[in-house]
Amino acid sequence: ELQLVESGGGLVQPGRSLRLSCTASGFTFGDYAVSWVRQAPGKGLEWVSFIRSIPYGGTTEYAASVSGRFTMSRDDSKSIAYLQMNSLETEDTAVYYCTRSGKNGGNMIDYWGQGTLVTVSS
Amino acid sequence: EIVLTQSPATLSLSPGERATLSCRASQSVSIYLAWYQQKPGQAPRLLIYDASNRATGIPARFSGSASGTDFTLTISSLESEDFAVYYCQQHSRWPITFGQGTRLEIK
Repeated sequence: ELQLVESGGGLVQPGRSLRLSCTASGFTFGDYAVSWVRQAPGKGLEWVSFIRSIPYGGTTEYAASVSGRFTMSRDDSKSIAYLQMNSLETEDTAVYYCTRSGKNGGNMIDYWGQGTLVTVSS
Repeated sequence: EIVLTQSPATLSLSPGERATLSCRASQSVSIYLAWYQQKPGQAPRLLIYDASNRATGIPARFSGSASGTDFTLTISSLESEDFAVYYCQQHSRWPITFGQGTRLEIK
């Protein structure tokens, strides 16, 4: 069964850092890109970041709202994707979803994890 | 950035009725438009990809269509489990963007 399990969320003060993890199972993780999508309380969906599979360069894309503060990486040997979040702001408070994105260089999101809540507050 | 505008914001219908949800893109996204369903407390689920292809396991009552920059999600006959929030999303150009959502509620 395909699974994406997020971890690492919690309460953090503004200006501090947090690292989210996404552990994948049930498919060949290294063949796929991964995206993070967030949802602020009571709001809609906002794409955050994307990392290509290693055969397609392993390069990243970021939303303007997090560029320069967030860094995405992956460890295919462990089937884990990471989102390092620095200089957190109250506006970053949201449920963060790990998603499976395209195979063969694509970026379509087809499966979502259950999400992890990040609360940025003093 | 490509802006996706969904309408209506809220749609009130009864089980058995037909639902038509719209999504308009601010510029061409070719066919790279997807629809997701989200129920309270749950993660979104992919319904339609490439504008008109049903995802694995999605019932045939869900269909998608496109005309230029206008996209439509149709639910032919509403079941009780279909009442949820629906989002369109484009992945034609960076950044990936979502519409603001349409809430489908029971009348």
